[in-house]
Amino acid sequence: TQLLEQSPQFLSIQEGENLTVYCNSSSVFSSLQWYRQEPGEGPVLLVTVVTGGEVKKLKRLTFQFGDARKDSSLHITAAQPGDTGLYLCAGASPKLIFGQGTELSVKP
Amino acid sequence: DAGVTQSPTHLIKTRGQQVTLRCSPKSGHDTVSWYQQALGQGPQFIFQYYEEEERQRGNFPDRFSGHQFPNYSSELNVNALLLGDSALYLCASSYPEFGRSPLHFGNGTRLTVT
Repeated sequence: TQLLEQSPQFLSIQEGENLTVYCNSSSVFSSLQWYRQEPGEGPVLLVTVVTGGEVKKLKRLTFQFGDARKDSSLHITAAQPGDTGLYLCAGASPKLIFGQGTELSVKP
Repeated sequence: DAGVTQSPTHLIKTRGQQVTLRCSPKSGHDTVSWYQQALGQGPQFIFQYYEEEERQRGNFPDRFSGHQFPNYSSELNVNALLLGDSALYLCASSYPEFGRSPLHFGNGTRLTVT
């Protein structure tokens, strides 16, 4: 069974701080996607990474796919209250399986 | 351009009953996937439909079944409801590339089983 482990599960920080969320697996994925979910809504795609070692930036968010395509990280610079939400990584195996999520709370 | 729509938004059922949830995919998408999300957890894959057939299935019992219609809309049926079936049920549509096509999610149906 392929599993994606996210850490930390919960993160509460002050506005302006930096943070990193990790997504790890013992399995290789052909691609990995990051989603953000707000209460009462479905997840919304942030980015897809496909190539080992790939780095993608989305404003203050930086996503990296591990060289072996087994892990990924999401780094947020100068977090803002609007970044609050559940961050989910999902690997293609070929069906898309999700990690358990990282609940981020950014306090003003 | 309408995104993924799900109905109903909330539902309360009693143990042993049956429920049907509905999903209309985003315009242009022909693949529908269903996920179950328990509170504070990531979505768990139930199954995926393409060309009116179940193409992939996750680790869910046969009580969970589905259907896709010629217009690509889909239904999720759950029989003999258990308390543990209480969750947010998410529908996602995409293009058919296995696992590579980004998923567009609806806002889900919150099912409560009492």
